[in-house]
Amino acid sequence: QKEVEQNSGPLSVPEGAIASLNCTYSDRVSQSFFWYRQYSGKSPELIMSIYSNGDKEDGRFTAQLNKASQYVSLLIRDSQPSDSATYLCAVRHSGAGSYQLTFGKGTKLSVIP
Amino acid sequence: DTAVSQTPKYLVTQMGNDKSIKCEQNLGHDTMYWYKQDSKKFLKIMFSYNNKELIINETVPNRFSPKSPDKAHLNLHINSLELGDSAVYFCASSQDGGIVTDTQYFGPGTRLTVL
Repeated sequence: QKEVEQNSGPLSVPEGAIASLNCTYSDRVSQSFFWYRQYSGKSPELIMSIYSNGDKEDGRFTAQLNKASQYVSLLIRDSQPSDSATYLCAVRHSGAGSYQLTFGKGTKLSVIP
Repeated sequence: DTAVSQTPKYLVTQMGNDKSIKCEQNLGHDTMYWYKQDSKKFLKIMFSYNNKELIINETVPNRFSPKSPDKAHLNLHINSLELGDSAVYFCASSQDGGIVTDTQYFGPGTRLTVL
């Protein structure tokens, strides 16, 4: 059973702070990692993808991947109230399950003005 | 010009009925998916089609039957609806589910309520 674990939160941060969201996964040979943002009542929206160890930055968002520790994280700098949403970590498995994304249960982020 | 669209957006029906949800993508993608998101917001894959061929068929009751008339459409038919089928159903598509960098894009969702 391939699993993706996230702290469900809620994670509360003040406006302007850095929000740090974490995710661990069980399948050691996973190759692709994604962060989706989901506002209440809306569909998941891709915000970051990462495929190799290290950091990947896009605007206020930085994804970090450590395959040895089977750990992926998302940092949101200068958090805004509009960042308040549930963040879903998704891991794509290689091999026979190459078409399959497994999602974590999401971390609910609340940015306090 | 919506990329991935679903109809209907809301579906309220009685137990035992049969209903269908339709999905269309205009992105030219080869792979389409159905996901179920339950009341606890857990998003789980149900089916995946690549160029009209069934690729993933997770442990889903056989009351659920997907159909892909062409690679731009993936419909979901549900027979004999049960209370536990109440959820939000998301359609998604991606260019090619077999490559590492493939990215999935989600439709707006269909909220199904079974009474």
